[in-house]
Amino acid sequence: AQSVAQPEDQVNVAEGNPLTVKCTYSVSGNPYLFWYVQYPNRGLQFLLKYITGDNLVKGSYGFEAEFNKSQTSFHLKKPSALVSDSALYFCAVRDNWGGGATNKLIFGTGTLLAVQP
Amino acid sequence: KAGVTQTPRYLIKTRGQQVTLSCSPISGHRSVSWYQQTPGQGLQFLFEYFSETQRNKGNFPGRFSGRQFSNSRSEMNVSTLELGDSALYLCASSAGDRRNTEAFFGQGTRLTVV
Repeated sequence: AQSVAQPEDQVNVAEGNPLTVKCTYSVSGNPYLFWYVQYPNRGLQFLLKYITGDNLVKGSYGFEAEFNKSQTSFHLKKPSALVSDSALYFCAVRDNWGGGATNKLIFGTGTLLAVQP
Repeated sequence: KAGVTQTPRYLIKTRGQQVTLSCSPISGHRSVSWYQQTPGQGLQFLFEYFSETQRNKGNFPGRFSGRQFSNSRSEMNVSTLELGDSALYLCASSAGDRRNTEAFFGQGTRLTVV
């Protein structure tokens, strides 16, 4: 079955420092991977996606993610964290199980990013 | 371009009642998916509709149902509400083609069952 794992419930980082939020995946076939961010009492906001091509994907708000096929990882990164980046981050993979067309997403458990001033 | 609109934002219902939630996707998007978010279970897929047809369904009881109209607007219905149905219900809209694969989410409907 398709799945994603976010091994850290929380990541703490000081403002101005680089941040990394980890994600590993398990899929059959080529993965379609996504990162979303959720602020309190809000829906999910799309940050970036990987479908194919360059392993380094750039997204919104200065975020980027590195796709690593050998390690089955898709870690989210940002060179310099802001206090306003504090939020809940979700990694997701599109469920291509069975080969049928679908936009169904399977989400990780989420990682709370806390950026200290 | 207007985003995904979900109504209402908040709902309080009593056990045993039923509820209908509404979602208007981004103009031109034909795929609408619904998710339930709870602290204990995280984000769980309910179902997906594409061009008025249910294309995929998650592992939820039959009390949870949905539909999509010809203008792509979607509704989900929960009958015989239980306390455990209290959650944030999120609707996601996708173009549904190979290139534009990302889903855009609405603000959600916070359902509280008392």
